[in-house]
Amino acid sequence: DAGVTQSPTHLIKTRGQQVTLRCSPKSGHDTVSWYQQALGQGPQFIFQYYEEEERQRGNFPDRFSGHQFPNYSSELNVNALLLGDSALYLCASSLAGSVGEQYFGPGTRLTVT
Amino acid sequence: RKEVEQDPGPFNVPEGATVAFNCTYSNSASQSFFWYRQDCRKEPKLLMSVYSSGNEDGRFTAQLNRASQYISLLIRDSKLSDSATYLCAVNDAGNNRKLIWGLGTSLAVNP
Repeated sequence: DAGVTQSPTHLIKTRGQQVTLRCSPKSGHDTVSWYQQALGQGPQFIFQYYEEEERQRGNFPDRFSGHQFPNYSSELNVNALLLGDSALYLCASSLAGSVGEQYFGPGTRLTVT
Repeated sequence: RKEVEQDPGPFNVPEGATVAFNCTYSNSASQSFFWYRQDCRKEPKLLMSVYSSGNEDGRFTAQLNRASQYISLLIRDSKLSDSATYLCAVNDAGNNRKLIWGLGTSLAVNP
């Protein structure tokens, strides 16, 4: 039973570039949430996808966008990267209708120089 | 007031000690509560869900106090391997699938 997987594990980009991060949810899960976690902080909610639609969004600018595919996998896109976007990006999967238990992938560590 | 608050610590305790963390939440309509453990530079891992009646898993006990709007995590007989950051998460009352996170409490168990 595969858990949540994310790719790539590490990424270095320069300011102004664009990045795409990928996530495959845990088998049987249909909801994917994306989080940004800066060092020493808790996860900050970016958005959540269910049935291929963005269902909820946190306080992040439009530079952050996403997509969910029919197989429930998801992508996070960030345009016009800023130095402050450097963080660990976490994907969490869950089951629609559950009480909210989420299971995380190992994350993608993005460094913007 | 932040939606979910935790004492960041760090808590430094000797092996074998009992340690307790609290996490307060602001929305009385929240229904689901969780404790996660996060090791350095790793992803959070679900430790326990917190039920109204409280729940216990080995050395770990979680409690919910709705009147005072906090959850607690008690770790008995601490092990070196318990050293980690403990995050609490509370569901957004408007969206049961969205979790709101505390900043985490850092625990160091010393030999």
